[in-house]
Amino acid sequence: DSGVTQTPKHLITATGQRVTLRCSPRSGDLSVYWYQQSLDQGLQFLIQYYNGEERAKGNILERFSAQQFPDLHSELNLSSLELGDSALYFCASSALGNGDTGELFFGEGSRLTVL
Amino acid sequence: KNQVEQSPQSLIILEGKNCTLQCNYTVSPFSNLRWYKQDTGRGPVSLTIMTFSENTKSNGRYTATLDADTKQSSLHITASQLSDSASYICVVIVSGGSYIPTFGRGTSLIVHP
Repeated sequence: DSGVTQTPKHLITATGQRVTLRCSPRSGDLSVYWYQQSLDQGLQFLIQYYNGEERAKGNILERFSAQQFPDLHSELNLSSLELGDSALYFCASSALGNGDTGELFFGEGSRLTVL
Repeated sequence: KNQVEQSPQSLIILEGKNCTLQCNYTVSPFSNLRWYKQDTGRGPVSLTIMTFSENTKSNGRYTATLDADTKQSSLHITASQLSDSASYICVVIVSGGSYIPTFGRGTSLIVHP
């Protein structure tokens, strides 16, 4: 158990809809990362938050948005869903700071299926 | 542009055999390099970390090497087991405060009985 909790584990929805994925980081970790992994593809970095502030942005579509709340949990919002958005969405957390090794602790992922 | 390239893309070996996975990176400035193991449908888990001054590090049957001069790393798996079947991902961390990880696409390893 990595200590990172993601909900829901599975989600099936229709094109054009909007969904919200939730992530609770490990206790004490300030940084949250979101990744997308399509079938048989590598992990694609979407966005990173650190202590409530956006730290870095990757290949995140304009239809997607995220935020990190004061209690450090994070949500990834996916809107106007398309078939190609079907993927595993992983959240990872790490404890950033001086001398940090940068280890990422991943949740078990949220599997999104868009029909 | 920071990049991490892994080879081979996929590998099939027989149980009990050894194998070596490669990782080349162009990330700069370099902080550290990690190898992660990702079982199908699960989140990746860190196997080992290599910092700039380390050349070799072992974790059970896994041995990672790092050549910071040539910017290459390898992961050697000894006496493979069926449970080693997974994707192995090389991740390099950029230093300088942001600690942004750069992911390779992974090597898919299948171990056959």
